[in-house]
Amino acid sequence: QSVLTQPPSMSGAPGQRVTISCTGSSSNIGAGYDVHWYQQLPETAPKLLIYGNNNRPSGVPDRFSGSKSGTSASLAITGLQAEDEADYYCQSYDSSLNIGIFGGGTKLTVL
Amino acid sequence: EVQLVQSGAEVKKPGESLKISCKGSGYSFTSYWIGWVRQLPGKGLEWMGIIHPGDSDTRYSPSFQGQVIISADKSISTVYLQWSSLKASDSAFYYCARHVQPYSSSLFFDSWGQGTLVTVSS
Repeated sequence: QSVLTQPPSMSGAPGQRVTISCTGSSSNIGAGYDVHWYQQLPETAPKLLIYGNNNRPSGVPDRFSGSKSGTSASLAITGLQAEDEADYYCQSYDSSLNIGIFGGGTKLTVL
Repeated sequence: EVQLVQSGAEVKKPGESLKISCKGSGYSFTSYWIGWVRQLPGKGLEWMGIIHPGDSDTRYSPSFQGQVIISADKSISTVYLQWSSLKASDSAFYYCARHVQPYSSSLFFDSWGQGTLVTVSS
């Protein structure tokens, strides 16, 4: 069981907006640690998608955005495209465990 | 361009030892921590531990402490992950990634290796 909780799966039609949640606790997200998001396309290594709650690395489309509030964070994808079909993971740091932590991942299906 | 290149897939028997590698290039290798992440078949990502190649300071997740050893050879810009006695349950993809901490409350992996598949089977 992951320290950060994500919905196991989500789906949306092309062009739609989807939001993936990531729920933590007072020892990680709620303690002020940033949340970061990774995209893992099928059969490939993960790639940094959002860092520092809401920043996009160079090359990441502005269709992807992140937010954080309290003990939770969200990844929003607007204008959903077929190429967005992937697994998405949130990540933060836990002060009780003294390690980085990942969410369990959300498999996004584009209908 | 930051690049992390991992060693190739391995097939081992239970009880055997193994050392896989991750070679960094395109940046100051001794200035950034490198981490290892496990992905069991069909499962999510697990933070295993990180090492600072400059002084070999190493931090392990409690789940992996004593199960693996993370080491570095800064002279050849390479970080290693090793097992002394593999188990079938160690079969997984293992990724190395550059760990960055722009400020105290922000720690993440900004560049990833391509992954090494380890298969342990009798």
